[in-house]
Amino acid sequence: EVQLVESGGGLVQPGGSLRLSCAASGFTFSSYAMSWLRQAPGRGLEWVSSLTGPGDGTMYADSVKGRFTISRDNSKNTLFLQLSSLRAEDTAVYSCARRYGSSHYYFDYWGQGTLVTVSS
Amino acid sequence: EIVMTQSPATLSVSPGDRVTLSCRASQSISNNLAWYQKKPGQAPRFLIYSASTRATGIPARFSGSGSGTEFTLTISSLQSEDFAVYYCQQYDRWPLTFGGGTKVEIK
Repeated sequence: EVQLVESGGGLVQPGGSLRLSCAASGFTFSSYAMSWLRQAPGRGLEWVSSLTGPGDGTMYADSVKGRFTISRDNSKNTLFLQLSSLRAEDTAVYSCARRYGSSHYYFDYWGQGTLVTVSS
Repeated sequence: EIVMTQSPATLSVSPGDRVTLSCRASQSISNNLAWYQKKPGQAPRFLIYSASTRATGIPARFSGSGSGTEFTLTISSLQSEDFAVYYCQQYDRWPLTFGGGTKVEIK
């Protein structure tokens, strides 16, 4: 059974940093591109960043480019998102998701998410 | 950026009703569209890809159609477990973008 479990969320001050983790199990992690998405309170889904299976290709939403860094450790079946220079508008539930197939970026499995709150 | 617009924002329906949700893209995305179901506190559920192909395990009452800029998700006979928010997502080009969602609620 595919499982994705996020951790690392919490309360952080504006300008602060946080590192999120996504522990994957039930599939060959290194064979799949992975992504982070978020949902702000009362808002819809927003794509944040994606990373290829080998970890050699990244994409970022303009809203987080230069502030967030996606990475992975395939030996530990774990995806990461380093959040820096955080702003109030980054407050959201952050979820990791697995890309379905090998050509396009849509997502067949998602985690339940970890809440990041940016506030002083 | 491709803007995805879903309508209506909220749909009040009864179990057993046929439901049609709309999703419009600001430019043509061919059939590069997915649909998801989201319930509070739960991970999104993958429903449809390539605009009309049901994901594994998705009941036949869910169907998708459309291409270019106009898409629909139809639930042929709404079940109690189908009350949720539905999102469309385009994957034709970066950045990936989602519609604002349609909430299907009990009338």
